[in-house]
Amino acid sequence: DTGVSQNPRHKITKRGQNVTFRCDPISEHNRLYWYRQTLGQGPEFLTYFQNEAQLEKSRLLSDRFSAERPKGSFSTLEIQRTEQGDSAMYLCASSLAWSTAYEQYFGPGTRLTVT
Amino acid sequence: AQTVTQSQPEMSVQEAETVTLSCTYDTSESDYYLFWYKQPPSRQMILVIRQEAYKQQNATENRFSVNFQKAAKSFSLKISDSQLGDAAMYFCAYTDRTSGSRLTFGEGTQLTVNP
Repeated sequence: DTGVSQNPRHKITKRGQNVTFRCDPISEHNRLYWYRQTLGQGPEFLTYFQNEAQLEKSRLLSDRFSAERPKGSFSTLEIQRTEQGDSAMYLCASSLAWSTAYEQYFGPGTRLTVT
Repeated sequence: AQTVTQSQPEMSVQEAETVTLSCTYDTSESDYYLFWYKQPPSRQMILVIRQEAYKQQNATENRFSVNFQKAAKSFSLKISDSQLGDAAMYFCAYTDRTSGSRLTFGEGTQLTVNP
């Protein structure tokens, strides 16, 4: 068990460019979550998957954001036409849907800077 | 909607002393889970302790314990024998079955441990 991994760890992009982040959950976890964290704030929920199905999306997730989890394994989060307000840490977490503990395990995050 | 409030943006404690971090929440659900997560500088978020709402007994994990007051909707974290490695941002978080187990976080409390 290597934990949740995220790539890249840092991304600097120019406004208007598209970016894609990847998250690899803990192998046996069937739920995967994306959160966004701005400096000095708590993480905010963006979306989550159970296996390959995207079950919920936050109103924070504008049309420029899209997430996928093909085959219920890794997930990608794409931001199109980035804006400076998209600068944040993007966190991925995973958990077991049938776990009564509801514990989520977080990755190290991808820090996005839009210039 | 569920909300989580941490009213202490910053706290400090002397090494080996005890500190208590406060958290209040609002929910209409009766079955829910509360967590404290620790986020060290530039490092990933890790789970410190978990409390199930149906359990009256306060959770304890080594030097970390909680004071769960369900009627008051209060969930404080006590760190005993503080160590330099406890310095981090601490987040209180909430989830329940109706929310798909997504986490709602508070704003965080920055804990400084003085040698």
